[in-house]
Amino acid sequence: EVQLVESGGGLVQPGGSLRLSCAASGFTFSSYEMNWVRQAPGKGLEWVSYISSSGSTIYYADSVKGRFTISRDNAKNSLYLQMNSLRAEDTAVYYCARDAYHPDYWGQGTLVTVSS
Amino acid sequence: EIVMTQSPATLSVSPGERATLSCRASQSVSSNLAWYQQKPGQAPRLLIYGASTRATGIPARFSGSGSGTEFTLTISSLQSEDFAVYYCQQYNNWPTFGQGTKVEIK
Repeated sequence: EVQLVESGGGLVQPGGSLRLSCAASGFTFSSYEMNWVRQAPGKGLEWVSYISSSGSTIYYADSVKGRFTISRDNAKNSLYLQMNSLRAEDTAVYYCARDAYHPDYWGQGTLVTVSS
Repeated sequence: EIVMTQSPATLSVSPGERATLSCRASQSVSSNLAWYQQKPGQAPRLLIYGASTRATGIPARFSGSGSGTEFTLTISSLQSEDFAVYYCQQYNNWPTFGQGTKVEIK
């Protein structure tokens, strides 16, 4: 069974940092492109970042470029999102999602709240 | 950025009735269009990709159509478990989502 489990969310002050993790199981993680997608409370979905299966190709939404860093460790079946210089508008549930273009599996999400 | 616009914002439908949801792209996305269902407190669930291909395990009552800038998701006979928010998403360029259509019980 495919499972994606996010962790690392929490309350952080504006300007602070947080590192999200996504533990993958039930499939060959190293063969799949991965993404982070977020959803602000009561709002729609926003694609945040993409990473290729090898990690050699990475893309970011303009809203997070220069502040967030996506990475992966295929040996540990894990996906990461390092978030720096956090702003109130980054408050959202962050989902990791498998596969490019139209993700077929999503984690349950981890809530990041940026507030003083 | 390609802007996706969904209509209506809310659709009130009785169980067993047909629901038709629309999605419009600000420029052509060819057939690079997906639909998701999201229930409260849950992650999105992929329903349709390639504008009309059902994802694995998705019931046949869900169908998608369209290409270019105009797309439609049809639920032929609404079941109780289908009341949710539906999002369209284009992946022709950097992926963007519509704002969602809430399907509620009439």
